Amino acid sequence: KNQVEQSPQSLIILEGKNCTLQCNYTVSPFSNLRWYKQDTGRGPVSLTIMTFSENTKSNGRYTATLDADTKQSSLHITASQLSDSASYICVVRGNTGGFKTIFGAGTRLFVKA
Amino acid sequence: KAGVTQTPRYLIKTRGQQVTLSCSPISGHRSVSWYQQTPGQGLQFLFEYFSETQRNKGNFPGRFSGRQFSNSRSEMNVSTLELGDSALYLCASSLGRVDTDTQYFGPGTRLTVL
Repeated sequence: KNQVEQSPQSLIILEGKNCTLQCNYTVSPFSNLRWYKQDTGRGPVSLTIMTFSENTKSNGRYTATLDADTKQSSLHITASQLSDSASYICVVRGNTGGFKTIFGAGTRLFVKA
Repeated sequence: KAGVTQTPRYLIKTRGQQVTLSCSPISGHRSVSWYQQTPGQGLQFLFEYFSETQRNKGNFPGRFSGRQFSNSRSEMNVSTLELGDSALYLCASSLGRVDTDTQYFGPGTRLTVL
C-alpha cells in the first residue's frame, strides 16, 4: 500500500533553534517529493520539490534532503522564527497506473519565544 | 499577479443537496488540481486537470466530479451531499506539468454539511 508517514506528529522548539522533520514513504515507483508549509486556515505553500535524482534542495532557511534508496526525506529548518509555526506536510507523487498523490499527515511545529 | 481564487469561501448545505465550487487559477497556469482536507483524513487528492482534460482522479466516489474550462477555470461538483463531505476543499494551479512544476494553492472553500 502506498503510504507517507511523518514524524514527529508535533514539535515545540524555542525561537532561534534548528529542527528536523522526517518523512518516510513506500510510494513506488516514485516521481517526486514535495514539502509544504500550511498556516492555520490557509492553503499550503510549496517549500521544495525533489525528483529521484536530487538529494538536497534549499529554500531560504528550509533545506530538504532525499534518500530515494531508503525512501526517506527530511526537512531541516534553521534559526527558527515565530512565523515558522505551522503544519509541514510531505507529499509524494508516484506513478502506479497513473500518477497518484499521497499526503503525509503533517508535523505540527510550534515555535515559542 | 493575482493568486489562485476560490469561490465561495464558506458554504453551508444540508444532506442530499448538491454543491458546485469554483477555482480560478493564476493567469497563464494550465493545470488545476483539487484536494479535500479534513481533520481525520488530512489532505486527499481529488482530481487533476490540464488543458480541459482530466489527467488523474483520486479514490473518491462518483458523487465527486469536476471539469476545466478553456480559460483554465475549474469547477468541482458534489452531488447528494453526506455529512462526511464537510471539509476544506483546496484548489491548486501550476504552470504546466503537476509532477514537476510548483503548485500554488488557493485559500480553500470551507463546506459544512448539516
